[in-house]
Amino acid sequence: RKEVEQDPGPFNVPEGATVAFNCTYSNSASQSFFWYRQDCRKEPKLLMSVYSSGNEDGRFTAQLNRASQYISLLIRDSKLSDSATYLCVVNNRGSQGNLIFGKGTKLSVKP
Amino acid sequence: EPEVTQTPSHQVTQMGQEVILRCVPISNHLYFYWYRQILGQKVEFLVSFYNNEISEKSEIFDDQFSVERPDGSNFTLKIRSTKLEDSAMYFCASSVTSGGAYEQFFGPGTRLTVL
Repeated sequence: RKEVEQDPGPFNVPEGATVAFNCTYSNSASQSFFWYRQDCRKEPKLLMSVYSSGNEDGRFTAQLNRASQYISLLIRDSKLSDSATYLCVVNNRGSQGNLIFGKGTKLSVKP
Repeated sequence: EPEVTQTPSHQVTQMGQEVILRCVPISNHLYFYWYRQILGQKVEFLVSFYNNEISEKSEIFDDQFSVERPDGSNFTLKIRSTKLEDSAMYFCASSVTSGGAYEQFFGPGTRLTVL
């Protein structure tokens, strides 16, 4: 079983749409959770950390369900600039732990 | 805003040659990492480094790989004898404990092409 699984997409949506990405992880002892975005041939950039209580940053909302080992990201009012690959990322060991990446979900926002 | 920097941005080498990839982590960060991403695939962990020693490494990080922090700012990845399958984007990352979330910040990467 893959450690971090995501729907590869692509998700093709019009500007202004709301889009949701889902992710599951296999290690129930995982400690930290993140969403990164990656533009083509660029480095992963941290979008937001995901906390157990759920958290919001502007148009972006992240949720974590530890019981189901499920992470989600909701993007509201999507912009052309949101077009990228969204990476679900898990850290199993805290401060010295390596990040485990999903393959990513590609989002394309069209005018 | 402080950022991780990497040089060179692109390295082309012949199979069997040694390459050194360089990184300057964010200055107050304590943990350093190397990851790689083969074209079209996911980002994979190679090695983490803390307090001047390797703290964790993956199966990919075999005897052909080594890391070093030669001075207070640079962090290097050396591949002793490159293989065709080492062609990938290599990302350096750094982090400092931050409220328990341990966010890692990535450099722009070095694209390594082995011919």
